[in-house]
Amino acid sequence: GGIITQTPKFLIGQEGQKLTLKCQQNFNHDTMYWYRQDSGKGLRLIYYSITENDLQKGDLSEGYDASREKKSSFSLTVTSAQKNEMAVFLCASSIAQDEDTQYFGPGTRLLVL
Amino acid sequence: SQLAEENSWALSVHEGESVTVNCSYKTSITALQWYRQKSGKGPAQLILIRSNEREKRNGRLRATLDTSSQSSSLSITATRCEDTAVYFCATDSTNTGKLTFGDGTVLTVKP
Repeated sequence: GGIITQTPKFLIGQEGQKLTLKCQQNFNHDTMYWYRQDSGKGLRLIYYSITENDLQKGDLSEGYDASREKKSSFSLTVTSAQKNEMAVFLCASSIAQDEDTQYFGPGTRLLVL
Repeated sequence: SQLAEENSWALSVHEGESVTVNCSYKTSITALQWYRQKSGKGPAQLILIRSNEREKRNGRLRATLDTSSQSSSLSITATRCEDTAVYFCATDSTNTGKLTFGDGTVLTVKP
């Protein structure tokens, strides 16, 4: 088995601040994902990466940057935090892109004051 | 509009009862997955059913897929309090190759 670790667990930021969320997986999976989940809603894809140094935009990429520094890690940056923003950011990985089980981390909970 | 959505916002049953969560989708798919998310955790996959399959089972769980009506159901028998969670369907579209999640159905299992 493997595990996905997300840091930090909680993140409180200020309006306009640049915030970075980190994700590590030890499944040795090729593909990694970042999703945003708003309260009572489903997951929306922000960025995904098929392999190291690859980046693909999801439906919600505006306002975010991502970086796949190595196979095991995938970072997400909120380029300018929006006031009163509150959401959970979920990282996931899968063996390959299509038709595969995605394994999720516990999430980073963001609150912008 | 969403490409995948569950048909009920919330369901409540008593322990031991059976329950079914339904999902409809709007594009042709290669597979549909059911995930469960417990409070404070990330989603965990329950069942993956491919477009050429009609039914898939996993213990007390049974998923069906009807590609003609573009719908799926997840049935849970002999429910337990620990089944309390949000249940999502997620579709893998032949057009995008990415998963699209519905908003989820909140299931509460009461003692």
